[in-house]
Amino acid sequence: GIQVEQSPPDLILQEGANSTLRCNFSDSVNNLQWFHQNPWGQLINLFYIPSGTKQNGRLSATTVATERYSLLYISSSQTTDSGVYFCAVGSGGGADGLTFGKGTHLIIQP
Amino acid sequence: SAVISQKPSRDICQRGTSLTIQCQVDSQVTMMFWYRQQPGQSLTLIATANQGSEATYESGFVIDKFPISRPNLTFSTLTVSNMSPEDSSIYLCSVVLLAGVVETQYFGPGTRLLVL
Repeated sequence: GIQVEQSPPDLILQEGANSTLRCNFSDSVNNLQWFHQNPWGQLINLFYIPSGTKQNGRLSATTVATERYSLLYISSSQTTDSGVYFCAVGSGGGADGLTFGKGTHLIIQP
Repeated sequence: SAVISQKPSRDICQRGTSLTIQCQVDSQVTMMFWYRQQPGQSLTLIATANQGSEATYESGFVIDKFPISRPNLTFSTLTVSNMSPEDSSIYLCSVVLLAGVVETQYFGPGTRLLVL
């Protein structure tokens, strides 16, 4: 199956800093999503981005499908950005179960 | 997006017993999935819950241990059978919603299970 690697595994930043999270995947994908799991365990869908670039407020994501990686950018970090960020991929289109990476644990300090 | 609820939200169970987790969606959806998140780990797909037919299980998961029902397009159950402490995890259901041509997966709040 597809392998998904995320880096860095842990990241500690001060409020206001910017960060870049990376997701590498081992095979072609038709589905790539970024999620934020908050400290209460709820998974929030951030982006559906199998290719191209999207932006939503302080967050943006870019996927270069031909090179099999995706990047999540967080600008002007806030303490509420803390949590685990997961990249998840699927190869059969949007309506497939997802393979998750191990996540990046982000801590934003005030 | 859809409103997805799970019951129970958490439970503490004795080894050897079984627990059935419910997942309810406020709109009809074609695709529903069940995932497991072991403590401090990532999410692993257990199975696809198929409406009107047997679930499709991923490698390492079997129907005898994790029977799944999907009686209609808004509801599914996952049973964790003959539990052991290794089954202590968060169990999450997810659904796929169509927004234009984009099919995005959304997750329920999860069921936190502790097996003693």
